[in-house]
Amino acid sequence: GDSVTQTEGQVTVSESKSLIINCTYSATSIGYPNLFWYVRYPGEGLQLLLKVITAGQKGSSRGFEATYNKEATSFHLQKASVQESDSAVYYCALSPNTNTGKLTFGDGTVLTVKP
Amino acid sequence: AQTIHQWPVAEIKAVGSPLSLGCTIKGKSSPNLYWYWQATGGTLQQLFYSITVGQVESVVQLNLSASRPKDDQFILSTEKLLLSHSGFYLCAWSRDWGQDTQYFGPGTRLLVL
Repeated sequence: GDSVTQTEGQVTVSESKSLIINCTYSATSIGYPNLFWYVRYPGEGLQLLLKVITAGQKGSSRGFEATYNKEATSFHLQKASVQESDSAVYYCALSPNTNTGKLTFGDGTVLTVKP
Repeated sequence: AQTIHQWPVAEIKAVGSPLSLGCTIKGKSSPNLYWYWQATGGTLQQLFYSITVGQVESVVQLNLSASRPKDDQFILSTEKLLLSHSGFYLCAWSRDWGQDTQYFGPGTRLLVL
């Protein structure tokens, strides 16, 4: 089946430093999946951060960026300068190119930004 | 704008007791609806989905059931809770079927003792 791998369970970064959260995926269906980053801030629900549906394209939101790399099957999340308010849990997810409504998540990465 | 509401916010229940969790979507007719579950320290898993009223499909077997009694309502239930049911339950909706973006509710935290 499909799978999403986030290699870092926890990441700690100092404020104003750059960030990268790794995400790689494996999709068994023919065609390219849609890729997502969701975020859960403390005490809140899961929110869509960004989405990319076309291989090679970049999505961006709130200063975060992610590029759909079909050759490397990666969708890493990056930010040039993090803020303390970015502290949250980040989830990478994929929706396969099938008519199933399925969304497969990675295990999540807990980001802590130190002041 | 669409809003999604889940109830209750949190529950502490005894093993063997019944459970009913609810989800309501406002501002969107005929949404596709989904239930997800995340065990503590685990991965978010899709449990059920529903494309239309009265029809629910199971994705993962966890001794839970789901129903969609109204267009805007999705219910997750069981007659007998297990310790393994503890975790975080999320309801989600999407406009279109297939690969469309899913939008999540605030979730219900369940602890089974």
